[in-house]
Order: sequence, then structure tokens, then C-alpha cells
Amino acid sequence: KQEVTQIPAALSVPEGENLVLNCSFTDSAIYNLQWFRQDPGKGLTSLLLIQSSQREQTSGRLNASLDKSSGRSTLYIAASQPGDSATYLCAVRDTGNQFYFGTGTSLTVIP
Amino acid sequence: DTGVSQDPRHKITKRGQNVTFRCDPISEHNRLYWYRQTLGQGPEFLTYFQNEAQLEKSRLLSDRFSAERPKGSFSTLEIQRTEQGDSAMYLCASSPPDRPSYNEQFFGPGTRLTVL
Repeated sequence: KQEVTQIPAALSVPEGENLVLNCSFTDSAIYNLQWFRQDPGKGLTSLLLIQSSQREQTSGRLNASLDKSSGRSTLYIAASQPGDSATYLCAVRDTGNQFYFGTGTSLTVIP
Repeated sequence: DTGVSQDPRHKITKRGQNVTFRCDPISEHNRLYWYRQTLGQGPEFLTYFQNEAQLEKSRLLSDRFSAERPKGSFSTLEIQRTEQGDSAMYLCASSPPDRPSYNEQFFGPGTRLTVL
């Protein structure tokens, strides 16, 4: 069974800092990996989707990379802002149709 | 609003009662997923539909849980004889049929269930 781990569990940074969130998975036979943000008590908002054949995806200040062979993905956030404060979740899809989520990294950006 | 919608947003019920939740996916999306999320955890997969066919069910889905998608549009998730351990956020997501985004999931706001 696929296991997804996110480190750190919580992170607090001053505004303007660049930061990296980590996601690791145990089975490299994945179809894709998706990063989400979740605000307290809300649903998930899709940030980036990386197909298994891709190495990275970029959207604005966000860049996600994927190293399938080592079972790792990183989400890079440039010039962090207080509005970036949320929980960030990664999810991997196996070669079937099941998605496995990590427990998330809770990010606080201090003004 | 053309996003995924869920109803109700909150449900409080007493142990032993039955509850039903509804999910309306984005209109052109043929894939629909249900997840359960407890505090401090990531969402756990429950079940998956492609059109009206329920193609996958997690072992987490006990016999008290049933899901339907009768016409391949909206879906319902019913929990019978609720237990306090069923208290959680129930999330619905949908995916479009076409490449390249056909594996990208779009989530609804969730239904928060509290079982007293």
C-alpha cells in the first residue's frame, strides 16, 4: 500500500522568505502527483499537478518537482506572503484510480 | 458557480441515525470521488465512480456506507446507523474526462458530520 509522508508537519516563516515543503512516497509506480492547499475547515484547492513523465511544474510563485525514482516531490514557494498561510497536502495517484494523501504541512507566514 | 458543490455543509446527528450527503460535480466531469478527513489527517479515499459505475471501494468503507451515482451526474453518500467514529469531514472531488487534466481532482467544500 502506498504511504505518503510530508515533512515538516508545521512551518513558520517570516514574510518574504522562500521555502520548501517535502513529500515522499513509498511506491514509485505512480501515475501522477498533485499538490493542494487547504484553509481551515474548507475543501482542497488544487495548486499543481505533475504527471509521472514530468519533472516539474510551475505556477506563479509555486514550483513543484518530482523525482519518481527516489519517491520524492518538493513544493517551492517563492517570496512567501501571509495569504500563503494554510495546510499544504500532496497526493499521489497509483496506477489504478486510488489517490493517497499525506498528512500535510501547516504553513504560517508571519507579517 | 461552476465548482463542485456539496450539501449540506454541516450535519449534526445522534448516534444510530442515518444520514445522506449529496455531491454535484463540475458538469463535464465524468469521474467522482468520495473521501473522509479527520482532524490533522489527510483525506482518505472511500470510493470512486466513472460515470454511473462504482469502480473502486476502499476497505475503509464498511457495510454501513453506501454511495450511488444513478445518472452519472450527482452522487449521494449514505451512512446508516451512525457511530461517533464517523464524525469527520466528507469531501467530494471530480475529474474531467480529457487529457491532459483528466487526472486532476477538483474538490468541493466538504460536509462536516458530527455524531453525538
